[in-house]
Amino acid sequence: SQTIHQWPATLVQPVGSPLSLECTVEGTSNPNLYWYRQAAGRGLQLLFYSVGIGQISSEVPQNLSASRPQDRQFILSSKKLLLSDSGFYLCALQGEDYGYTFGSGTRLTVV
Amino acid sequence: RKEVEQDPGPFNVPEGATVAFNCTYSNSASQSFFWYRQDCRKEPKLLMSVYSSGNEDGRFTAQLNRASQYISLLIRDSKLSDSATYLCVVNKGNNNDMRFGAGTRLTVKP
Repeated sequence: SQTIHQWPATLVQPVGSPLSLECTVEGTSNPNLYWYRQAAGRGLQLLFYSVGIGQISSEVPQNLSASRPQDRQFILSSKKLLLSDSGFYLCALQGEDYGYTFGSGTRLTVV
Repeated sequence: RKEVEQDPGPFNVPEGATVAFNCTYSNSASQSFFWYRQDCRKEPKLLMSVYSSGNEDGRFTAQLNRASQYISLLIRDSKLSDSATYLCVVNKGNNNDMRFGAGTRLTVKP
């Protein structure tokens, strides 16, 4: 069965510091992977998606970037965090029926 | 108009009640529809897919109305454990075109 792992669970970072969130999947090959952000009390906002190694599409212009160095690894990064980057970051794996399985999420607080 | 709209609630209902949520979508070409459940400070989890013919899973019934472009979720005999936010999700069948509603918050009270 497909599983998705995301870490860390929580993160407190100062403004201007770098960020690296990692997501890995098991039980599937060449999956479509997604990064979403959910601000407090808000809906999910698609940040990036990837259909394969090295293939990244950005949905929202911002100071975040994503990379897919391996088939089952998806990384979200920032060189300098802003206060507005605070939120709940979710990695998702798309199944054959187009439904998503989400990782457990990273709650990021930028201070 | 938002692509996927839901009544944010909150819906506060007693145990045993029947509650229904509606969700409207703007893109008539949408092909796949889902309801997700999200507990506080947790990731969304798939509750059920929504098929054209409607589908039922225990106390939960989902229906799709393509003509009016809405989907619904009916919860019968509400339990305390049903308290959560319910997200409506619509996908056009493309890789990146999954649109989430902002969610409807349900609280079931004893």
